[in-house]
Amino acid sequence: EVQLQQSGAELGKPGTSVKLSCKVSGYNIRNTYMHWVNQRPGKGLEWIGRIDPANGNTIYAEKFKSKATLTADTSSNTAYMQLSQLKSDDTAIYFCAMSREGPLDYWGQGVMVTVSS
Amino acid sequence: DIAITQSPSSVAVSVGETVTLSCKSSQSLLYSENNKDYLGWYQQKPGQTPKPLIYWATNRHTGVPDRFTGSGSGTDFTLIISSVQAEDLADYYCEQYFVYPLTFGSGTKLEIK
Repeated sequence: EVQLQQSGAELGKPGTSVKLSCKVSGYNIRNTYMHWVNQRPGKGLEWIGRIDPANGNTIYAEKFKSKATLTADTSSNTAYMQLSQLKSDDTAIYFCAMSREGPLDYWGQGVMVTVSS
Repeated sequence: DIAITQSPSSVAVSVGETVTLSCKSSQSLLYSENNKDYLGWYQQKPGQTPKPLIYWATNRHTGVPDRFTGSGSGTDFTLIISSVQAEDLADYYCEQYFVYPLTFGSGTKLEIK
């Protein structure tokens, strides 16, 4: 069974960074793309970017190019996203998701990131 | 970027009724080389993770009840929920994975009368 287990909730101060993790079990992430999606309180889903863990290649949505950094560790089958220069409007739930042939077919449980001084 | 428009933004139906959700893309999602539409549907119940329902516009993910039916091609797509159940209360999103950046519609909230 494929499972994506995300790290716990984060509380970050404005201007700081947080690093989220997404550990995959039941499937080798080398054979996937790992995506990150956010959802601001009461809002819809927004795609942030994806990484190809096999070679580290990344693609970002334009608005997240200076906000998010995606990495992956194939030895631990884990994907990471670092969010930098946190602002209040980065407060959101962040989901990792996996795709193999196109659709996002497995999702993590989501992690709440709260930005507050 | 491909813009995805969903309608209605919310709809209320009674248990047992059928509801049709619409999803329109600003450009075709049909790839002629494989004749596949790069469109998926997701269900997000309150406080939960999005659950994949439909991929390639018409295929149900494993375990999805057959009362959920995806149809359409090109730029116009629909999700039909037949014999709506109380447990179908959720937000429904469509998403294009034809090109990057991936884009989602703004969602349709399904309420039960």
